[in-house]
Amino acid sequence: DVKVTQSSRYLVKRTGEKVFLECVQDMDHENMFWYRQDPGLGLRLIYFSYDVKMKEKGDIPEGYSVSREKKERFSLILESASTNQTSMYLCASSSRMRQLFYGYTFGSGTRLTVV
Amino acid sequence: AQSVTQLGSHVSVSEGALVLLRCNYSSSVPPYLFWYVQYPNQGLQLLLKYTSAATLVKGINGFEAEFKKSETSFHLTKPSAHMSDAAEYFCAVYGNNRLAFGKGNQVVVIP
Repeated sequence: DVKVTQSSRYLVKRTGEKVFLECVQDMDHENMFWYRQDPGLGLRLIYFSYDVKMKEKGDIPEGYSVSREKKERFSLILESASTNQTSMYLCASSSRMRQLFYGYTFGSGTRLTVV
Repeated sequence: AQSVTQLGSHVSVSEGALVLLRCNYSSSVPPYLFWYVQYPNQGLQLLLKYTSAATLVKGINGFEAEFKKSETSFHLTKPSAHMSDAAEYFCAVYGNNRLAFGKGNQVVVIP
């Protein structure tokens, strides 16, 4: 069964900490994405990546960065966590050639609380 | 830029009744449209997709959606709600190399 795995299900961090959210996929997908999900706001795209070492800003990149050193791994970094970054973070991946037919595969999410 | 609108964040439906979730899209090109479902404490799962092959699309768990270009709509329906349909549902459109999601509908099924 194909999978997108997010390293932590729940995470509690302090304001000002540097936070790493990890995502690994085993489907050899070229594309990977980070979304945040907030009640009433749906999913908003933070960053995405088409290939190793490539990244593109999404709709709400402020306060975040990403790293993609290997094809299967896409990391989201909160440089200095703030309380307004408390949210559910969802990672997804897709095949460049088949994404319009198979859509995205999502991980189970990381619920981050910044105190 | 492509976008979708979902109205009514919470939708209550009686068990056995019709489920209808509305999605309207905005797109300058023929759209690729998707419906996803999110069960509690899980990620999103693809329900169905429209890729211009047929206007009536059937998905998993008895859901279907009809693409209507004249109304710029892609509404999701299920004839008879089941308790297991309680979840959040998202409509999405593909554009600018990514999926853009609506704000979601939280479906509550009343016994």
